[in-house]
Amino acid sequence: DIQVTQSPSSLSASVGDRVTITCRASQGIRNHLAWFQQKPGKAPKSLIYGASILQTGVPARFSGSGSGTDFTLTISSLQPEDFATYYCQHYDSYPFTFGPGTKVDIK
Amino acid sequence: QVQLVESGGGVVQPGRSLRLSCVASGFTFSNYAMYWVRQAPGKGLEWVAVISYDGSNKYYVDSVKGRFTLSRDNSKNTLYLQMNSLTVEDTALYFCAGDPWADYWGQGTLVTVFS
Repeated sequence: DIQVTQSPSSLSASVGDRVTITCRASQGIRNHLAWFQQKPGKAPKSLIYGASILQTGVPARFSGSGSGTDFTLTISSLQPEDFATYYCQHYDSYPFTFGPGTKVDIK
Repeated sequence: QVQLVESGGGVVQPGRSLRLSCVASGFTFSNYAMYWVRQAPGKGLEWVAVISYDGSNKYYVDSVKGRFTLSRDNSKNTLYLQMNSLTVEDTALYFCAGDPWADYWGQGTLVTVFS
């Protein structure tokens, strides 16, 4: 099975900060990676798929990059509504493992 | 719009069974693979299982193999998860979901296994 790790596990940031979250797969997954945002008590919301394709309606301050084993999610200017937990998930082969998550909270 | 509505969760004792349902609307259900994802209290997301669009292929994470069974009824736009021999480690909010490249998620149904 492909393992997925994320770093950092948590971070504190201020509104307006640039934030970068890293996701690493244990073997190459091409660009078969998605990013999700989850707020407490809510279902995950898809942000990015195909490593860099923004879901419809997702603000342009979110961007994704990477291919193979190393990927990043960047929030160019953190907004109050962005404080949440972020997960990456590969979908290259079953099981479609999630990363452990990165919690972004207010500094 | 796309809607996925889960039901069937509850409180059960270890060793007992539950059947979860997920009713889909707003898209052509019979064209899509469907998934279950769970989240234990205070923990991260765990991918559980997938069933192909026609129900002919299924894949389960190791921790539920032999205990959980996925099925679907495309005439009713409904996905099912039969969960047998439940353990306390199965306590979680269970989401049904579409493909990772879509944004199809239900709100979840809570399963609590408690002795």
